[in-house]
Order: sequence, then structure tokens, then C-alpha cells
Amino acid sequence: GNSVTQMEGPVTLSEEAFLTINCTYTATGYPSLFWYVQYPGEGLQLLLKATKADDKGSNKGFEATYRKETTSFHLEKGSVQVSDSAVYFCALDDGAGTALIFGKGTTLSVSS
Amino acid sequence: NAGVMQNPRHLVRRRGQEARLRCSPMKGHSHVYWYRQLPEEGLKFMVYLQKENIIDESGMPKERFSAEFPKEGPSILRIQQVVRGDSAAYFCASSPIRESETQYFGPGTRLLVL
Repeated sequence: GNSVTQMEGPVTLSEEAFLTINCTYTATGYPSLFWYVQYPGEGLQLLLKATKADDKGSNKGFEATYRKETTSFHLEKGSVQVSDSAVYFCALDDGAGTALIFGKGTTLSVSS
Repeated sequence: NAGVMQNPRHLVRRRGQEARLRCSPMKGHSHVYWYRQLPEEGLKFMVYLQKENIIDESGMPKERFSAEFPKEGPSILRIQQVVRGDSAAYFCASSPIRESETQYFGPGTRLLVL
């Protein structure tokens, strides 16, 4: 079945450091891929998405490229801020428009 | 435009009690999805509803759990005879059409079973 695997955290960085959070997926067909962010005590917010191979999603300085050949959708940011501290979830859709399938989440902690 | 509303935000129940979680979708959204987030886990899909209909409940435990989305009022996720393993964060999402790409999430209800 469809699944998402993302790197385990926590990831601890200093402000202005480069961020990469790895995400790989297993899916039949051509799913859409997503990154969601969850700030403490809040619900998930869509950060970015890509709907087909080689698409690049971007938002708030974050980027991720849909790589079909490596079945990956790694999240990157060139210079993180303390306010980026949150849990990041990689997800894909199930193709039926019903469910999102999530990875376990990666906690990012950025210190000044 | 108010987002997805969930209440209560925190709920404490003793084993054997019932838990009722409410979700009001965004205005204009008629599709509701419930997800459960166990500690140290990602969100897992439970059920998908449209007004007055359960469309997909493949992720819902067969016993003690039920969901509804009446013609008027919020969607309700009901857990009967709660056990400690039900302790989790329950998130509701809504969308204007049947498309996972446009799901908007609420802040969640954190259920603690003592």
C-alpha cells in the first residue's frame, strides 16, 4: 500500500543554518505530495505541495521537488529561523481524493 | 472567514466513559475528514463524511467508534467506553470538494483517558 517515510528527529539547528528533512514515498500511480507544518498546540497547516514529477513546491523560503526517479520529496530551507521550530509532516494523497497518508513527522528545533 | 473549528480542545475521560468530539467545517465546505494522531506517530485517516453520509470509514476501528455529519450542525466523532489506548489528538479537516489537496485542518482535540 501507499506509505511515507521521513527522517526521524529531532533536528536541532542554529538560526540561519541550512535545513533538509528527507522524505521518501511508496505509491501506486502518481500521487500528489505535500509538506504540512504543525506549530505547538495547533493543527496542521499546508506548507507546500507538488502534483506531478519534477514540480517544485515552495512557500515561506521552504522548497521541495517531486522526484519520481528516487520517489522522494525532501524539504529544504536555506536559512532557518527560530520561528520555524515546529513538527513537519510529509504526506501523499491516496489517489481517491479521500485520505492523506502521513509520515511520522520530524521535529525541528531552531535556537538563536 | 473562520477556519475549521473543533471543540473541546482538551478532553479528559475515565476508562469506560464516552467521548464526543465536535468539528465545524469551514463555511462552504461539505466534506469532513477525521484523523487520529497517536503519540510519536503521524496522522492516520479514520473516516470521510459528506452531509448525512459516511463515504469511507476504512480507517475507523470497528467497535466503539462512530461518526456522523448531520444536515445541520457539526460533525461528531463519538468514542464509547474509552480505553487508555484511545488517548490521542483527533484532527478534523474539511474541504469544498472531494479532493485531499484542499483539506484544511482544525486545531485538534486532545483526548486523555485516565
